[in-house]
Amino acid sequence: RKEVEQDPGPFNVPEGATVAFNCTYSNSASQSFFWYRQDCRKEPKLLMSVYSSGNEDGRFTAQLNRASQYISLLIRDSKLSDSATYLCAGRSNDYKLSFGAGTTVTVRA
Amino acid sequence: GAGVSQSPSNKVTEKGKDVELRCDPISGHTALYWYRQSLGQGLEFLIYFQGNSAPDKSGLPSDRFSAERTGGSVSTLTIQRTQQEDSAVYLCASSSRQGAGQFFGPGTRLTVL
Repeated sequence: RKEVEQDPGPFNVPEGATVAFNCTYSNSASQSFFWYRQDCRKEPKLLMSVYSSGNEDGRFTAQLNRASQYISLLIRDSKLSDSATYLCAGRSNDYKLSFGAGTTVTVRA
Repeated sequence: GAGVSQSPSNKVTEKGKDVELRCDPISGHTALYWYRQSLGQGLEFLIYFQGNSAPDKSGLPSDRFSAERTGGSVSTLTIQRTQQEDSAVYLCASSSRQGAGQFFGPGTRLTVL
């Protein structure tokens, strides 16, 4: 079983809608989590860090549920520019991140 | 400020040849990571450098892979006797300290014919 798993999607949503998706992790010792966005043929870009129960940055909200071992990302008022693959990563020791394979989101006009 | 840079951006090589990939981390970042990403896959950890500590090489897939980091800054990933299954995007990342978010370079797309 992979350490971090994500629903690959795709999640197709209209502009302005809210979209949310989860990332599950198997290592209960994971201490912190990160959401990255990756555009086609580009490098991952850090979107948000989550060190406690959650984090919010503008239209993006991440929530961590340690009891059920998942972390979610919610995007409100979706923009066309939000179309990307979203990678979840968990930090299981002092430095190593385990990445999920990503969730594809497509926002349509 | 300048981000992580990598060179070359693309590399096409023949099976059996050696390749060298370079990473220049963000200035002042002590931690440096190498990953590879195959088409449609997640990131596979390869190796980690932190300051003068011994690197964590646990992710290197075979002894054909090696990496070094000189002077605590630039890093080179070397793949000897390349195989077709080595074809992937090789990404380098750096962070300001252990446990902090990692910032990625644009990657080197390696194609082994």
